[in-house]
Amino acid sequence: DAGVIQSPRHEVTEMGQEVTLRCKPISGHDYLFWYRQTMMRGLELLIYFNNNVPIDDSGMPEDRFSAKMPNASFSTLKIQPSEPRDSAVYFCASSWVQRWEQGLAKNIQYFGAGTRLSVL
Amino acid sequence: GNSVTQMEGPVTLSEEAFLTINCTYTATGYPSLFWYVQYPGEGLQLLLKATKADDKGSNKGFEATYRKETTSFHLEKGSVQVSDSAVYFCALSGPPWDFGNEKLTFGTGTRLTIIP
Repeated sequence: DAGVIQSPRHEVTEMGQEVTLRCKPISGHDYLFWYRQTMMRGLELLIYFNNNVPIDDSGMPEDRFSAKMPNASFSTLKIQPSEPRDSAVYFCASSWVQRWEQGLAKNIQYFGAGTRLSVL
Repeated sequence: GNSVTQMEGPVTLSEEAFLTINCTYTATGYPSLFWYVQYPGEGLQLLLKATKADDKGSNKGFEATYRKETTSFHLEKGSVQVSDSAVYFCALSGPPWDFGNEKLTFGTGTRLTIIP
C-alpha cells in the first residue's frame, strides 16, 4: 500500500484566500484524523472520522475550518478565509481496528507526510 | 482528563551514547502507551507500544516498559546512532478493549540530535 497520501505537500497563499488540503487514507482503514503541528502548540488533533462520520471536532479552532469525508478514500480540510496564524504543518492519519488470533491492532495511526501551509 | 508529560528537549548526544527520554502520564483506568518518531520532513510513525502493565515494547534497539506504579513509559536505547536524530512523541490511548475510542493523546515531543 502507498500509505496515507496528502496533497499538496506545500501551499503558500495570501491572507483571506480559501485553502483546501486533501487526504487519501490507507485502504481498509475506517478512522481518519486531521492534526495541526506548530512550534508553539505542538501536535493538535483537529477532528476525526469513523466510517466517514465526524466523531469529535472539538479541536477545530473556529468556524473558518471545516472538514469533510465524502467517501472512505478521501477527506478534505478547508480553511476559509485563511489567516497568517493558520500557518502550520497539517497531518492526516488513518487507523483501523482489527482483531486476530495473535493480537489486536488498535490505536496505531499511520501518518501522511503532511502539508506545510504558509499564509502570507 | 488524559495527559502526557515528556522530558523537555532538545537533547543532544554523541554517537553510541545511552539514551533515556522520560515520559509520564495521567489517565484513568488502563491506557495503552506508545512512542512515535518523526524524522525530518516526515509524518509520525509508530516506534513501539505496550498495552498492559509491565509490558515492554521494543523496536530498532529502542525499549520502553509500561510502569503502572510510577505511571511512566520511559524510552531507552543503549547506543544511539546519527540516524536516530528525530523528534520522539510519547502518547496514550484508551485501553485495548475500548473499541469506541481511537484518539491518541500526545506529549509535546522531544527533539533528539546525535552528533558523530
